Amino acid sequence: GNSVTQMEGPVTLSEEAFLTINCTYTATGYPSLFWYVQYPGEGLQLLLKATKADDKGSNKGFEATYRKETTSFHLEKGSVQVSDSAVYFCALMPYNTDKLIFGTGTRLQVFP
Amino acid sequence: EAQVTQNPRYLITVTGKKLTVTCSQNMNHEYMSWYRQDPGLGLRQIYYSMNVEVTDKGDVPEGYKVSRKEKRNFPLILESPSPNQTSLYFCASSLSGGALRPQHFGDGTRLSIL
Repeated sequence: GNSVTQMEGPVTLSEEAFLTINCTYTATGYPSLFWYVQYPGEGLQLLLKATKADDKGSNKGFEATYRKETTSFHLEKGSVQVSDSAVYFCALMPYNTDKLIFGTGTRLQVFP
Repeated sequence: EAQVTQNPRYLITVTGKKLTVTCSQNMNHEYMSWYRQDPGLGLRQIYYSMNVEVTDKGDVPEGYKVSRKEKRNFPLILESPSPNQTSLYFCASSLSGGALRPQHFGDGTRLSIL
């Protein structure tokens, strides 16, 4: 079946540290991959996406590369800010469907 | 402002008392969906709708109903709520389904069923 596995949190970093949040997936065919961010008290917002192998999604300094050989879509940022503190969800959409399948989420806490 | 609006934002109620959570979007989106978010489980889809009068079950539809009589509204109905439906609920919409059209989420409704 289709599933997404994320590293458990919380991830605690100091401001300007390098961030990696791991995400691996299981899917048949060629899914599209997403990272969503949820700030406290708010709904999810699309952060970035990649629709085919080797694509790199990027937004607001965050990046993730669709690696089909390792079935991964790790989220990275070179220098985090306190304002990046949020819960990050990795998700996939199986090919030719409209269904989003989410991971369990990873809480990021950034301290000054 | 383009948005997905859910009401209420918070509700505490008792087992068996029917309730409705409303969802409305002002973006003329075709696709709408309901999710519940539980600790350690992420978001799971309850129901979705590709267009007016077209709805289908997601992964966890038991105990819920939906309707799509107008494009902008997609209410979630709990006919006889039970404590295991205590959760954080999100409505989402997109121009059409698929990966090229991002889903826009409401701010959530926290339900507590006693």
